[in-house]
Amino acid sequence: KAGVTQTPRYLIKTRGQQVTLSCSPISGHRSVSWYQQTPGQGLQFLFEYFSETQRNKGNFPGRFSGRQFSNSRSEMNVSTLELGDSALYLCASSLGGGLTYNEQFFGPGTRLTVL
Amino acid sequence: AQTVTQSQPEMSVQEAETVTLSCTYDTSENNYYLFWYKQPPSRQMILVIRQEAYKQQNATENRFSVNFQKAAKSFSLKISDSQLGDTAMYFCAFITTDSWGKLQFGAGTQVVVTP
Repeated sequence: KAGVTQTPRYLIKTRGQQVTLSCSPISGHRSVSWYQQTPGQGLQFLFEYFSETQRNKGNFPGRFSGRQFSNSRSEMNVSTLELGDSALYLCASSLGGGLTYNEQFFGPGTRLTVL
Repeated sequence: AQTVTQSQPEMSVQEAETVTLSCTYDTSENNYYLFWYKQPPSRQMILVIRQEAYKQQNATENRFSVNFQKAAKSFSLKISDSQLGDTAMYFCAFITTDSWGKLQFGAGTQVVVTP
């Protein structure tokens, strides 16, 4: 079974631009979570989507948004990029439903650099 | 607020020796899961071990074991017979049953295994 894939793996943008990152979950997984990893703030939860609905959201400004498609693939968008948005963006997928926890499997991440 | 604290930024251990990483957490929820994740230089996040809060028995996975003290809200990881491949950043994390998609991470402990 293929793992979680993220595209692109590396991205360089300039301040003020916008960017879209993509995450393809493991086949059959319906939940996708996004995390931002920076040296200063560590790993922070951005949002989670399940069956095309945002189920949880972290404390990030409205410039950060996401969506999920019917095939469970997810995208996150950052508008009006700031230098502080430079980070490794990780997505994780899981089965998502049910009363017990289903393991989150992480993708390799997208390294975003904002100049 | 729910928090995860890892007080050891870096630890060094020799091959075949044992190292223990500490983690404390704070949550008002009764139902939650605790995890240790490993992130090697490749940045791929890998689940090492997990513990359900309702289980008193400490989880073990081969050379990895935890000491879960629920009343003290402590969750330490012991790596026995350390191997060079254990060199990585280790993150303590938890998730509550009302927010399945939202992992909350500590700041991480860098483990360096030396020959």
